[in-house]
Amino acid sequence: DQQVKQNSPSLSVQEGRISILNCDYTNSMFDYFLWYKKYPAEGPTFLISISSIKDKNEDGRFTVFLNKSAKHLSLHIVPSQPGDSAVYFCAASGQSGGSNYKLTFGKGTLLTVNP
Amino acid sequence: EPEVTQTPSHQVTQMGQEVILRCVPISNHLYFYWYRQILGQKVEFLVSFYNNEISEKSEIFDDQFSVERPDGSNFTLKIRSTKLEDSAMYFCASRMGLAGVHEQFFGPGTRLTVL
Repeated sequence: DQQVKQNSPSLSVQEGRISILNCDYTNSMFDYFLWYKKYPAEGPTFLISISSIKDKNEDGRFTVFLNKSAKHLSLHIVPSQPGDSAVYFCAASGQSGGSNYKLTFGKGTLLTVNP
Repeated sequence: EPEVTQTPSHQVTQMGQEVILRCVPISNHLYFYWYRQILGQKVEFLVSFYNNEISEKSEIFDDQFSVERPDGSNFTLKIRSTKLEDSAMYFCASRMGLAGVHEQFFGPGTRLTVL
């Protein structure tokens, strides 16, 4: 039951270039989307989020784009830095289950930024 | 900056034994969660807890699992009789509880190894 899909298990980019991480979802009840970054032996760290009423949210080098009709979102990192190398998880939540806002995660994409 | 803490970082136990994983959520947060990640798989929701009771649980969270908030700071996950397949990283998370605020903040995790 893959309600949130990250089809690229890995991505490698050069320092200074743009990293684009993609995520697709199938559940129309999702109305909030989050990106988490995870280093080995650490817990997921919240990065940026977007509500379904928006199509773009920007925070410094990180921008998330949401295309509701395509059920697709992407995370752009510009410029990419070696310290960005980590696993990036896309997660979704919705209010269909009340106010619990439980998160449904994708499998993650390992981003490697090469110096 | 406030953070979620978890103890122990690594727990090794024999099959059939009881384990208790401990978490201290961020102090002014109202919703608490447990997730797990089996090696190589996605992060999965186990249970959410609000107002001293379970608000939602997944199919994984069967009678062998229980959660408790024994005092004003700790949030625990108990597995009564561990199985080999319970081996995973267990993450605690907390959320402020404001309507429309979905962001959850995760602890560093406890690696549970069942032998």
